[in-house]
Amino acid sequence: SQQGEEDPQALSIQEGENATMNCSYKTSINNLQWYRQNSGRGLVHLILIRSNEREKHSGRLRVTLDTSKKSSSLLITASRAADTASYFCATDAWYNQGGKLIFGQGTELSVKP
Amino acid sequence: GAVVSQHPSWVICKSGTSVKIECRSLDFQATTMFWYRQFPKQSLMLMATSNEGSKATYEQGVEKDKFLINHASLTLSTLTVTSAHPEDSSFYICSASGVDTEAFFGQGTRLTVV
Repeated sequence: SQQGEEDPQALSIQEGENATMNCSYKTSINNLQWYRQNSGRGLVHLILIRSNEREKHSGRLRVTLDTSKKSSSLLITASRAADTASYFCATDAWYNQGGKLIFGQGTELSVKP
Repeated sequence: GAVVSQHPSWVICKSGTSVKIECRSLDFQATTMFWYRQFPKQSLMLMATSNEGSKATYEQGVEKDKFLINHASLTLSTLTVTSAHPEDSSFYICSASGVDTEAFFGQGTRLTVV
């Protein structure tokens, strides 16, 4: 399977704490994206990091990419109860046509007020 | 970002019937559309890739005779689940990409087969 792995599978923290999720993948990529999904709902695109980038920020989100280790991390700072959701990384492999994404297994984040 | 509309957002059907799900790109021409399936508490699994005007490419293990995909125009792709059974109950999500664009996702369709 091309599907990547994410850890932890589940994470429970208190409001105000930081949450870190990791993603590993198997093939060389064009880019890696992070998505959020609330229970039973569609995907919300959070951030895209290209293969030649090492770090990217968007608001309270910080994403890193290490192509030598084929891994990425998503950091959510000062978490809020509204951040409770499942988070997925998705990779766009270099040999694929644009837009074909392979998703990681996801991390279920619970932020307790 | 671009808008992709998926319809219906949920559907309940009887076992043995067929269900059609539509995926439309509203403000761009989608040369490629992708269909994913997501079972409860699991990740999204790519089912197939469809290019406008040509046959869809299915991922390993996905029955092309059961999941019929049509991409007849640059703004519309349809997924038909034929002879649906309870094990086909799932969340189906489409995404669309244009030339040199990232993929944009629809809102998803929750299919329940009873």
